Amino acid sequence: EAEVAQSPRYKITEKSQAVAFWCDPISGHATLYWYRQILGQGPELLVQFQDESVVDDSQLPKDRFSAERLKGVDSTLKIQPAELGDSAMYLCASSLMDTEAFFGQGTRLTVV
Amino acid sequence: EDQVTQSPEALRLQEGESSSLNCSYTVSGLRGLFWYRQDPGKGPEFLFTLYSAGEEKEKERLKATLTKKESFLHITAPKPEDSATYLCAAYSGGYQKVTFGIGTKLQVIP
Repeated sequence: EAEVAQSPRYKITEKSQAVAFWCDPISGHATLYWYRQILGQGPELLVQFQDESVVDDSQLPKDRFSAERLKGVDSTLKIQPAELGDSAMYLCASSLMDTEAFFGQGTRLTVV
Repeated sequence: EDQVTQSPEALRLQEGESSSLNCSYTVSGLRGLFWYRQDPGKGPEFLFTLYSAGEEKEKERLKATLTKKESFLHITAPKPEDSATYLCAAYSGGYQKVTFGIGTKLQVIP
């Protein structure tokens, strides 16, 4: 069964360091989402891609976060510099047009 | 601004005690309503998509329904393995904007 792959599963980093997360969506899925989920809350959209283009990054803290999806396939989300408040689960999801999104297992980030 | 509200935030049931979870939404141009199940430390697992008022979907002990303002997830005779957080999300707009609620944390006690 096709799955969204994310790595790493867990990441501990020091404040002010750079950190990157990788996502490989289900093959053929043009839409890719990055969400952040704080414990006890629902996922919050950070950035949404349609193929290689960003269609929504209104909630992405652009002073420290960046995302790219070169060639419209896999994607990388970067944080530089990391802050204590960035500790959260980072979820990647993908979908076909007009259908439900499927999620990866997420990356649990702890900033110390 | 699109908004999705879930209630209750937490629910504790005895095994076999049926109940319902609520998801109310205020979005521009709803195109679909999703339900997900999320286990601790894992990504959300897709359950259902509902597209129009009056639609119902079922899977094992779960049934999801949709009206013009809210959706319900009915759990019939739950078992301990149904314990999880249940998330609903509204899908709207021209580029598939998806807005999540905070979820209902369900605990089913043997």
